Amino acid sequence: NAGVTQTPKFQVLKTGQSMTLQCAQDMNHNSMYWYRQDPGMGLRLIYYSASEGTTDKGEVPNGYNVSRLNKREFSLRLESAAPSQTSVYFCASSPQALYGYTFGSGTRLTVV
Amino acid sequence: KQEVTQIPAALSVPEGENLVLNCSFTDSAIYNLQWFRQDPGKGLTSLLLIQSSQREQTSGRLNASLDKSSGRSTLYIAASQPGDSATYLCAVGETSGSRLTFGEGTQLTVNP
Repeated sequence: NAGVTQTPKFQVLKTGQSMTLQCAQDMNHNSMYWYRQDPGMGLRLIYYSASEGTTDKGEVPNGYNVSRLNKREFSLRLESAAPSQTSVYFCASSPQALYGYTFGSGTRLTVV
Repeated sequence: KQEVTQIPAALSVPEGENLVLNCSFTDSAIYNLQWFRQDPGKGLTSLLLIQSSQREQTSGRLNASLDKSSGRSTLYIAASQPGDSATYLCAVGETSGSRLTFGEGTQLTVNP
């Protein structure tokens, strides 16, 4: 099915470990986003890419890096995981900013 | 900084009842407002999008209204069904930064 694919679906990390969350979309969308969802905090934007070759910080970028590898793929990297990064991470894409968002099913990350 | 609030946090109703979910935002200089649905363990699905120049949008049993001057939106669900049980999130598209700011959501349970 067309849409946004996130891998992995679940991950447990030890404090200080690194990992990359992968996201790919097959809808030829220009814009891609990474959000985290925490109880009582709603969804918060980590980074976004308005178009291929550009990335910008969102509301909570500290501790994360991103790469827009090509038009389809947008990865999120945790260089040194901390317990505060325990969350559910969602990738989303849209044809243009603020319109037509499609979300992936999420990655549930636990940092111990 | 835009803040989005959704009240109530949770709502339980019997099947067949009409209901209203509320969303308020602090900065009226918005580009659009969107309502999403989130099922447990899943990503978000877009329901309705209202442009800043519009007053309402309808899709089937759903009707969303927007009052920019008062910083409020409502999502009206007619003849609720158990399949409507989910968390409903409101998101404001900001004119600057090309980003969505989400509320924390209203968890709706429709009892058979």
